[in-house]
Amino acid sequence: EDQVTQSPEALRLQEGESSSLNCSYTVSGLRGLFWYRQDPGKGPEFLFTLYSAGEEKEKERLKATLTKKESFLHITAPKPEDSATYLCAVRSGSARQLTFGSGTQLTVLP
Amino acid sequence: DSGVTQTPKHLITATGQRVTLRCSPRSGDLSVYWYQQSLDQGLQFLIQYYNGEERAKGNILERFSAQQFPDLHSELNLSSLELGDSALYFCASSVGAGGATNEKLFFGSGTQLSVL
Repeated sequence: EDQVTQSPEALRLQEGESSSLNCSYTVSGLRGLFWYRQDPGKGPEFLFTLYSAGEEKEKERLKATLTKKESFLHITAPKPEDSATYLCAVRSGSARQLTFGSGTQLTVLP
Repeated sequence: DSGVTQTPKHLITATGQRVTLRCSPRSGDLSVYWYQQSLDQGLQFLIQYYNGEERAKGNILERFSAQQFPDLHSELNLSSLELGDSALYFCASSVGAGGATNEKLFFGSGTQLSVL
């Protein structure tokens, strides 16, 4: 059974204070690792897909990286509008659906 | 706006009742996925339909059922409701059957179900 574990559960940063969120996974044949952002009362919004170890993707202040066992979401000089819950998900083997972690709730203080 | 529409946004009902949640996928998407999100369990996959046919099943209770209609909208039926069924129910859609590695899911805003 696929398992996705995210840490920390919650993270509070000052505006401009860079940090990283972790997503570790145990799957049978990773076919894709996905990062989503979820704002309160809304559905998850797609950020990135990573497919193979060593791959990196960037979008504004966010950079996602992937190794064989985990993924990191690096946030550089965050702003208050980056506050949200960040979800990691995997698609493995022959699975059609995504399996999600419990998320990291990020709060960026002005 | 993801293009996925879910109704209603909020639903309050009593234990033992039955409710129907509705989802319209993005234009052109053939797959619909249902997920349940609760505070203690995160996003849990329930079921997937592709072009009217059931394609994958997750941790969906026997009291729950779903279908996808010819116009591709989907309904999730929850019956004999219990307090523990209170959660956010999300619908997501994708263009294909979910077999493609890079296939992204687009989520609606969810239906908040409260069972009292």
